[in-house]
Amino acid sequence: DSGVTQTPKHLITATGQRVTLRCSPRSGDLSVYWYQQSLDQGLQFLIQYYNGEERAKGNILERFSAQQFPDLHSELNLSSLELGDSALYFCASGSRGLESTEAFFGQGTRLTVV
Amino acid sequence: GNSVTQMEGPVTLSEEAFLTINCTYTATGYPSLFWYVQYPGEGLQLLLKATKADDKGSNKGFEATYRKETTSFHLEKGSVQVSDSAVYFCALSSLYGGATNKLIFGTGTLLAVQP
Repeated sequence: DSGVTQTPKHLITATGQRVTLRCSPRSGDLSVYWYQQSLDQGLQFLIQYYNGEERAKGNILERFSAQQFPDLHSELNLSSLELGDSALYFCASGSRGLESTEAFFGQGTRLTVV
Repeated sequence: GNSVTQMEGPVTLSEEAFLTINCTYTATGYPSLFWYVQYPGEGLQLLLKATKADDKGSNKGFEATYRKETTSFHLEKGSVQVSDSAVYFCALSSLYGGATNKLIFGTGTLLAVQP
């Protein structure tokens, strides 16, 4: 158990809809990272937050957004969903300081868009 | 930009065989290097890491040495078990904007160990 909790584990929704994925980091971790894993793209870094602030942005679509709340949990919002958004979405949290180079992953949310 | 290249899979081995999964990287500066493992239906778990040149990371019988001269971080295990069947990801951590870091992953290598 990595200590990172993601909900829900599975999500099935229709094209055009909007969903919210939730992540609770390990106790004391200030960084939260979001990754998308798909068969054709592999593991893609989406976005990182550190203590409530956005710190790094990767290959995140404009239809997607994220935030980190004062209690350090994070949400990834996916809107106007397309079939191609079907993937496994992972959240990871990093150690306590900015110098951390290690991430601990949750079990992921499997999103299926039909 | 920074990138990681690892050998294509799947790699199929018999139990007790020797394992090598190749990983090379391109990076500026001095990244940290990692191997993560993903078992079926689970998230990624850190297997081992190395933070500077010539460091050897090791865990559960797996080893990898940070080779700056060849920009490589190959994963090895002397005797694999069926329970090692999983997808293995090589990754590097690079500073981003000078104030934080992010992990860059290779495409993953599926290892299947047969009894």
